[in-house]
Amino acid sequence: AQSVSQHNHHVILSEAASLELGCNYSYGGTVNLFWYVQYPGQHLQLLLKYFSGDPLVKGIKGFEAEFIKSKFSFNLRKPSVQWSDTAEYFCAASNQAGTALIFGKGTTLSVSS
Amino acid sequence: GAVVSQHPSWVICKSGTSVKIECRSLDFQATTMFWYRQFPKQSLMLMATSNEGSKATYEQGVEKDKFLINHASLTLSTLTVTSAHPEDSSFYICSAKKGGDYSNQPQHFGDGTRLSIL
Repeated sequence: AQSVSQHNHHVILSEAASLELGCNYSYGGTVNLFWYVQYPGQHLQLLLKYFSGDPLVKGIKGFEAEFIKSKFSFNLRKPSVQWSDTAEYFCAASNQAGTALIFGKGTTLSVSS
Repeated sequence: GAVVSQHPSWVICKSGTSVKIECRSLDFQATTMFWYRQFPKQSLMLMATSNEGSKATYEQGVEKDKFLINHASLTLSTLTVTSAHPEDSSFYICSAKKGGDYSNQPQHFGDGTRLSIL
């Protein structure tokens, strides 16, 4: 069955700490991968996406993610978090057509100043 | 660009009534829109894929007669929850995608609609 799992339910960090959020997927065939962020009271926004090519993907606000096919992983990283990064982060996978998007359960990131 | 608007943002109604939720792509045309449902502290679950000018494709376990989807134009899809009951209370979120399948475009999400059935 297709699934996306996020390892961390809630992560608490101090400002300037480094961040890595784990994401593993199980999806038959070619997969497109995404990280979305949801700030408090706002809609889901795309952080970054991977379709093909360079497995290291850079997104907005200093975030990056690395697609490791052999590990079925797409972990999100940021070298130095800010208080404004406090949000819910969702990893998602879709088929190559871009439909059938499956989400992980989300990781709540709390950054203290 | 790529703004998706959802209306209403919050609705409360009595059991047995029908509720319509609108999803609009404001600055792009979307041949495909998607409807999700999110339960508290859980992930988004895809309910159906809405294709302009054709019938929606429903995910397994989603009642098509309960959740009516209409995608009458390239910028508007509607979800109607018919004869709503308290168990239909949830957060409904739509998304829209630029371009067609295989266009390497992500989905863009609306703000969601919180539906409460009394």
